[in-house]
Amino acid sequence: EPEVTQTPSHQVTQMGQEVILRCVPISNHLYFYWYRQILGQKVEFLVSFYNNEISEKSEIFDDQFSVERPDGSNFTLKIRSTKLEDSAMYFCASSVREVFSEQFFGPGTRLTVL
Amino acid sequence: DAKTTQPTSMDCAEGRAANLPCNHSTISGNEYVYWYRQIHSQGPQYIIHGLKNNETNEMASLIITEDRKSSTLILPHATLRDTAVYYCIVRVRGNTGKLIFGQGTTLQVKP
Repeated sequence: EPEVTQTPSHQVTQMGQEVILRCVPISNHLYFYWYRQILGQKVEFLVSFYNNEISEKSEIFDDQFSVERPDGSNFTLKIRSTKLEDSAMYFCASSVREVFSEQFFGPGTRLTVL
Repeated sequence: DAKTTQPTSMDCAEGRAANLPCNHSTISGNEYVYWYRQIHSQGPQYIIHGLKNNETNEMASLIITEDRKSSTLILPHATLRDTAVYYCIVRVRGNTGKLIFGQGTTLQVKP
């Protein structure tokens, strides 16, 4: 069964460093998403991406964040200068259509900022 | 999107049906009810969705009241692996793809 994969599973970084989280969505999906979940809190939407551009972004997704689909398979989330409060689980998701289509989530990357 | 209200936690005996309620009293006619679950720190998993008719798939059944102000997710024979946080989400037709998660219901299936 096709699945969304994410690498690395755990990333530890120093405050102020740049990190890139990687995702491989399901191959025939067209819509891609990033969510995050701070420990003990709700899953929060960050950004949606379609046709090589951002469809929607939340208030959390400020200028420190960027997304890219550098090739036909990968979908990346970059945080330019990490802060302590960026420590969270980051989930990538993909779907065939934007609405009325289930989103398939990856296993997540746990980001720890020291 | 309409706001949803779910109990914080529920217990269920293994092998019995788990009935998870969700109130969405402000739901409008073009809003669908979706259910996802999250098993301990894993990525959320889609379960089922519906508009006004009851729906069933291999995982669960979704019962939506006639006035659409509430719904119930039914796991017919709960197993220990169904222990998870269950999220009821209401989405507007034509809305963007983002999912807005609440706190959900923590379902504990006990042996």
